[in-house]
Amino acid sequence: EAGVAQSPRYKIIEKRQSVAFWCNPISGHATLYWYQQILGQGPKLLIQFQNNGVVDDSQLPKDRFSAERLKGVDSTLKIQPAKLEDSAVYLCASSLGGGRGTGELFFGEGSRLTVL
Amino acid sequence: AQSVTQPDIHITVSEGASLELRCNYSYGATPYLFWYVQSPGQGLQLLLKYFSGDTLVQGIKGFEAEFKRSQSSFNLRKPSVHWSDAAEYFCAVGPTSGNTPLVFGKGTRLSVIA
Repeated sequence: EAGVAQSPRYKIIEKRQSVAFWCNPISGHATLYWYQQILGQGPKLLIQFQNNGVVDDSQLPKDRFSAERLKGVDSTLKIQPAKLEDSAVYLCASSLGGGRGTGELFFGEGSRLTVL
Repeated sequence: AQSVTQPDIHITVSEGASLELRCNYSYGATPYLFWYVQSPGQGLQLLLKYFSGDTLVQGIKGFEAEFKRSQSSFNLRKPSVHWSDAAEYFCAVGPTSGNTPLVFGKGTRLSVIA
């Protein structure tokens, strides 16, 4: 079974530029999450999708971050314009969702963003 | 609000020694509990999980964890550490129903010395 796929693995940009990250979850997983992991900290939820609907985006900085999951499968997270403090690893995770399973999240390898 | 506390930021142990990583949680009801491991440059891999039944759960790579409801703890243990266990370890808590996402602790970095 293929795992959660993310790209790109690494990205270096200058502040005020834009960047986009892509995630393809495990087949059949209804719930998709984007977490931000700043160096030395645990993952912090940015946004959660159930199929193609947003369940929780309360911690997403909506003035600069946006995310979509149009067809309920893969997802894109965009940052525009980037700030220095956005330097982090962006982790995508998926789960069965819909009350199925035990809530276990399956993670991709992450996309490391460096903002100069 | 749900929260997870991992009081040890960094732990160093000798190869072959035993290990215990602490995790305390705050939750309104009995949650699902998880331990994940993250090697440098990698995503998070599930080590083990507790959701019901026996409070001592076994995981991969020889790890185990014990759920203690009275102490709101879910400490991770390994009897003999290997050099390859050096990594970051995260404890997480989630609901037994509904769709609330996992909440993670800040992690404990494990270093292993010869």
